[in-house]
Amino acid sequence: SQWGEENLQALSIQEGEDVTMNCSYKTYTTVVHWYRQDSGRGPALIILIRSNEREKRSGRLRATLDTSSQSSSLSITAAQCEDTAVYFCATDWGGGSNYKLTFGKGTLLTVTP
Amino acid sequence: AQTIHQWPVAEIKAVGSPLSLGCTIKGKSSPNLYWYWQATGGTLQQLFYSITVGQVESVVQLNLSASRPKDDQFILSTEKLLLSHSGFYLCAWSLGTGQLYFGEGSKLTVL
Repeated sequence: SQWGEENLQALSIQEGEDVTMNCSYKTYTTVVHWYRQDSGRGPALIILIRSNEREKRSGRLRATLDTSSQSSSLSITAAQCEDTAVYFCATDWGGGSNYKLTFGKGTLLTVTP
Repeated sequence: AQTIHQWPVAEIKAVGSPLSLGCTIKGKSSPNLYWYWQATGGTLQQLFYSITVGQVESVVQLNLSASRPKDDQFILSTEKLLLSHSGFYLCAWSLGTGQLYFGEGSKLTVL
């Protein structure tokens, strides 16, 4: 999973498989953002889950949030080649604002045909 | 529609030289603005944020400074570049809580 001192993680799967990426955070947060970053580009938000939500879905994406274990996950169903990207989670350290949004180390997902 | 534009797209600079990177946001009034730095293969490290014109808060000390001279403009600069400044600089905006909207970034190589 992302966070702490771990380096960028790498996952490689085949098209059509499901994949789950995990994120653990160290302090209370009011929201977990999940961003994807394509090579050489700025990150883009793909799903945002608030502390009063346990699950959020968007198309083939599903995010979960477990505030008791301070962890979140992002799942992609039936991955496609175009899902290849780096995925980051980010938390607001419980401040309830974006002023200090802290990103995890990221997961490089490679989906092969 | 809101747009965010960063300039320059890429720079190659010498150690000890000055730097100025810019960011303009169009289509949004009084956004929160942010600068992030990303090493190759690394995560995003927040550098600065600004809630209003003329006010900038530093998050980490990296011998960089930032200014917000206009509501829609955010500038990152230093008078003396270090090798460690190399990386990808990203400007972002938001309205209160909620998602960050990132620009396309400026790639800096310091030699």
